[in-house]
Amino acid sequence: EAQVTQNPRYLITVTGKKLTVTCSQNMNHEYMSWYRQDPGLGLRQIYYSMNVEVTDKGDVPEGYKVSRKEKRNFPLILESPSPNQTSLYFCASRPGTTSSYEQYFGPGTRLTVT
Amino acid sequence: GDSVTQMEGPVTLSEEAFLTINCTYTATGYPSLFWYVQYPGEGLQLLLKATKADDKGSNKGFEATYRKETTSFHLEKGSVQVSDSAVYFCALSDRGGSNYKLTFGKGTLLTVNP
Repeated sequence: EAQVTQNPRYLITVTGKKLTVTCSQNMNHEYMSWYRQDPGLGLRQIYYSMNVEVTDKGDVPEGYKVSRKEKRNFPLILESPSPNQTSLYFCASRPGTTSSYEQYFGPGTRLTVT
Repeated sequence: GDSVTQMEGPVTLSEEAFLTINCTYTATGYPSLFWYVQYPGEGLQLLLKATKADDKGSNKGFEATYRKETTSFHLEKGSVQVSDSAVYFCALSDRGGSNYKLTFGKGTLLTVNP
């Protein structure tokens, strides 16, 4: 089954404790992206990757890092989480060609930072 | 920059009522337009899309027409069901350089009562 998977689905952590949220897709998509969803703000892009070893900032990259060492994986790293990073996070992927293609979303990771 | 404005709701309807969720956009290029749906506790799923002016996207009884002259992509359904209760997001993708970012509206919560 074609899908985007994320782990963990739920995470409660404390301020400053490094964490990684994993994202993996099995559709051989070139393009992958991370979004955060906050009430009243919709979804905002954090980082994106056009292909292996090619990453760039989205609209709200502060406090996050990413890497793209393999085509299928695109982990999101919070090196020193803060309470304002409490949010619902979505990973997405799509073929890297025209803008008309849909993006496929993972199930989401609900992160709480205390 | 690009932006999407949609009616924020919440919208509460009775089963079999007519649904309209308004969506207007601002974009510098020729975007593709999407409606995504998020059912309770789940990730985002593509509901329908339109890639050029006057295209009509349709799925599961929902429809939306890409109106370039009014920069709109309103979502409609003739007869809603309880199972349509969800959050609906209007979004656009307008390739800026190498980023296929989706720009989302803030979402509209729809509740359908029996």
